[in-house]
Amino acid sequence: EVQLVESGGGLVQPGGSLRLSCAASGFTFSSYAMSWVRQAPGKGLEWVSAISGSGGSTYYADSVKGRFTISRDNSKNTLYLQMNSLRAEDTAVYYCAKAKAAAGLVNAFDIWGQGTMVTVSS
Amino acid sequence: EIVMTQSPATLSVSPGERATLSCRASQSVSSNLAWYQQKPGQAPRLLIYGASTRATGIPARFSGSGSGTEFTLTISSLQSEDFAVYYCQQYNNWPGGFTFGPGTKVDIK
Repeated sequence: EVQLVESGGGLVQPGGSLRLSCAASGFTFSSYAMSWVRQAPGKGLEWVSAISGSGGSTYYADSVKGRFTISRDNSKNTLYLQMNSLRAEDTAVYYCAKAKAAAGLVNAFDIWGQGTMVTVSS
Repeated sequence: EIVMTQSPATLSVSPGERATLSCRASQSVSSNLAWYQQKPGQAPRLLIYGASTRATGIPARFSGSGSGTEFTLTISSLQSEDFAVYYCQQYNNWPGGFTFGPGTKVDIK
């Protein structure tokens, strides 16, 4: 079964850091680009960051550029999101999502994790 | 940045009726448009990609159409499990990023 399981969320103070993980199973992880998408409470979906299958190319939304870093360890089938200088407006459920087709970032997201909640508050 | 808009914000429909949801892009996204369904407390689920191709396991009552800047998701006969929020997403403007519409909530009339 194709599955994504996020972890690492929690409560953090403004200015703090957090690292999210997304464990993948059931598919050849290194063949697929991956993204992080977030959803603030009661709001819509916002794409945050994407990474190519090899990890050699990374992309960020303007709202997180310079503060967040996406990475992956293909030997561990795991995606990461390092979040620094967190702000109240970063409070959201963070989902990892798999690109539908192999070899390419220009794709819909066909598999999503269950999400992990990040709360930035003092 | 491509801005996605959806209408209506809320659609009240009776079970068994047809629902038509609209999505508009601020500039052409070709056919690089997806639709997702999200129920409360759940992750989004891919329904349609390439503007009109149903994802694996999606019932035939869901159909997508359109290209360029105007897109439609049609649910031919609403079932109880279809009441949810629906988002469109463009993935054409790369590496500019992916953008989602604000969503249409389909609720019971």
